[in-house]
Amino acid sequence: GQQLNQSPQSMFIQEGEDVSMNCTSSSIFNTWLWYKQDPGEGPVLLIALYKAGELTSNGRLTAQFGITRKDSFLNISASIPSDVGIYFCAGSDTVGGATNKLIFGTGTLLAVQP
Amino acid sequence: EPEVTQTPSHQVTQMGQEVILRCVPISNHLYFYWYRQILGQKVEFLVSFYNNEISEKSEIFDDQFSVERPDGSNFTLKIRSTKLEDSAMYFCASRGRLINHQPQHFGDGTRLSIL
Repeated sequence: GQQLNQSPQSMFIQEGEDVSMNCTSSSIFNTWLWYKQDPGEGPVLLIALYKAGELTSNGRLTAQFGITRKDSFLNISASIPSDVGIYFCAGSDTVGGATNKLIFGTGTLLAVQP
Repeated sequence: EPEVTQTPSHQVTQMGQEVILRCVPISNHLYFYWYRQILGQKVEFLVSFYNNEISEKSEIFDDQFSVERPDGSNFTLKIRSTKLEDSAMYFCASRGRLINHQPQHFGDGTRLSIL
């Protein structure tokens, strides 16, 4: 089945540093989403991307939908301790229809040292 | 901000017993989903539901699983005869109209522990 390869698997950084993580796929996706998951909670949507080449920001977060539609990256600038958590990319290849199921990446664990 | 709510937050059940996980999606949403996350692993799609029927299901969603929208607000996942490997976090998600590119919003999940 479809798989999303997410890297890095984990990151340990100092407060104030910038962070970059990415997802790649062997197949095309029409939607890329980035979620953050805190322990014991559900994924919380950070950024949604719907068009190849699209670059979208949400505060200190910036994400891009790759031109090939097979990859996406997420950048976090000037990290703060509350950025700690697991970040997941998720893709959907459905165009129209009633499914739009999400395929999730393997996650990037981010630890920020004050 | 409207949110997806799930109950219970934690369910402990004996192997072989039936369990029902409950979800209240965001009120004007039309598409509903169940996902699961085994401890330490990624989130996996189980089933999608639209217009009172299953629109797609994964190979994980076998005959032991069923979903139902019994009224206008609840969306349930039933596991008929639980197995040890069903232990996981189960997340409900919902989304609005497909045309407007609305993303899926997730609940905080139910932790299912099978003994």
